[in-house]
Amino acid sequence: DTGVSQNPRHKITKRGQNVTFRCDPISEHNRLYWYRQTLGQGPEFLTYFQNEAQLEKSRLLSDRFSAERPKGSFSTLEIQRTEQGDSAMYLCASSVDTGGDEQYFGPGTRLTVT
Amino acid sequence: AQSVTQLGSHVSVSEGALVLLRCNYSSSVPPYLFWYVQYPNQGLQLLLKYTSAATLVKGINGFEAEFKKSETSFHLTKPSAHMSDAAEYFCAVSDLTTGGFKTIFGAGTRLFVKA
Repeated sequence: DTGVSQNPRHKITKRGQNVTFRCDPISEHNRLYWYRQTLGQGPEFLTYFQNEAQLEKSRLLSDRFSAERPKGSFSTLEIQRTEQGDSAMYLCASSVDTGGDEQYFGPGTRLTVT
Repeated sequence: AQSVTQLGSHVSVSEGALVLLRCNYSSSVPPYLFWYVQYPNQGLQLLLKYTSAATLVKGINGFEAEFKKSETSFHLTKPSAHMSDAAEYFCAVSDLTTGGFKTIFGAGTRLFVKA
């Protein structure tokens, strides 16, 4: 297994457009997380899946953000009507449900909203 | 509510000197605690974790951290800094909430190593 992968690695979009990012976790990992990271800050928790169930969602996540993990494998994060403030690195991580919650991170998708 | 405070956004040490990166947390339940490292243009990589076993945790690359419940601290140390240790370091706390695990990261500490 080559680890967590994310696509695309970079996305430039105009304000008001919709964007979708994909995350493929490590195959045997049943937990999947999305984070947002801006320059000079630590990753900010967005949402968490256990298999296909979305169990936790940050209050900071506006209605323009939605995430899915339909078959408990890959996940998508969609941002509708993008705003310049959405410009950030979007990180995906996965872990195994054996305690300890050690997360493995992907390389991230850098979003630039112009 | 969970929170993580990393004291010092930048730390500079000389090569061979002791590295000490400070982390304090707050959590309503016994937490899982982690240190992650992020090298330039790379993803986060786990250095070490505390999961209620030994309070002194050893990680990769010679790093270790000590969980002190009375001080709510989980400081990261390395006896002798190497140039390759220059990176951003993040402390994180993870709690099992009613909905599942939620992980909160600190703002990070950038480590500079001088030759």
